[in-house]
Amino acid sequence: NAGVMQNPRHLVRRRGQEARLRCSPMKGHSHVYWYRQLPEEGLKFMVYLQKENIIDESGMPKERFSAEFPKEGPSILRIQQVVRGDSAAYFCASSPPAQGGTEAFFGQGTRLTVV
Amino acid sequence: AQRVTQPEKLLSVFKGAPVELKCNYSYSGSPELFWYVQYSRQRLQLLLRHISRESIKGFTADLNKGETSFHLKKPFAQEEDSAMYYCALGVPDKLIFGTGTRLQVFP
Repeated sequence: NAGVMQNPRHLVRRRGQEARLRCSPMKGHSHVYWYRQLPEEGLKFMVYLQKENIIDESGMPKERFSAEFPKEGPSILRIQQVVRGDSAAYFCASSPPAQGGTEAFFGQGTRLTVV
Repeated sequence: AQRVTQPEKLLSVFKGAPVELKCNYSYSGSPELFWYVQYSRQRLQLLLRHISRESIKGFTADLNKGETSFHLKKPFAQEEDSAMYYCALGVPDKLIFGTGTRLQVFP
């Protein structure tokens, strides 16, 4: 089991471009969480997804950010029209159905830099 | 409000010294507390959770509901303990993280 895989590890985008961050959960895990870590801050919850469903998106900015977890394939966090303030490390975590969000395994993160 | 506070950004000690990384939380329900560790260039990984009451790599943490604290302790720090440590509060379906404490253990 390769663990939670995120790609790319590093992503550079110009202001106004779109950023797509991918997360493949651990085998057997059907719950995916995205967290964002801004410089000098802790990880902040963004969204919780199960296959084809958004369960809790209370931490997602209202505009430009979206997330999906399709039946097949990785979970995608999409940021449209990126701005400098979106520069951060984005972490994905996954957990098996029985554990809920508190027994989560993390990926290595994607570091987004907006120039 | 649901909040986790780690007051120290950086904690530096010499090898063999005792270590205590502070964590306080705010939560009206029954708390589930965790410590996560991130070694250099590695992913965040679970160090311990209060429910299991186990000691991992010599670290322990006791939940003190009266003081709403979950401090992480180790009697004798090792150089390989140098890392970022995050305290986290588990609420339904998510974790609330503190800002982290960087532990530096000097030889």
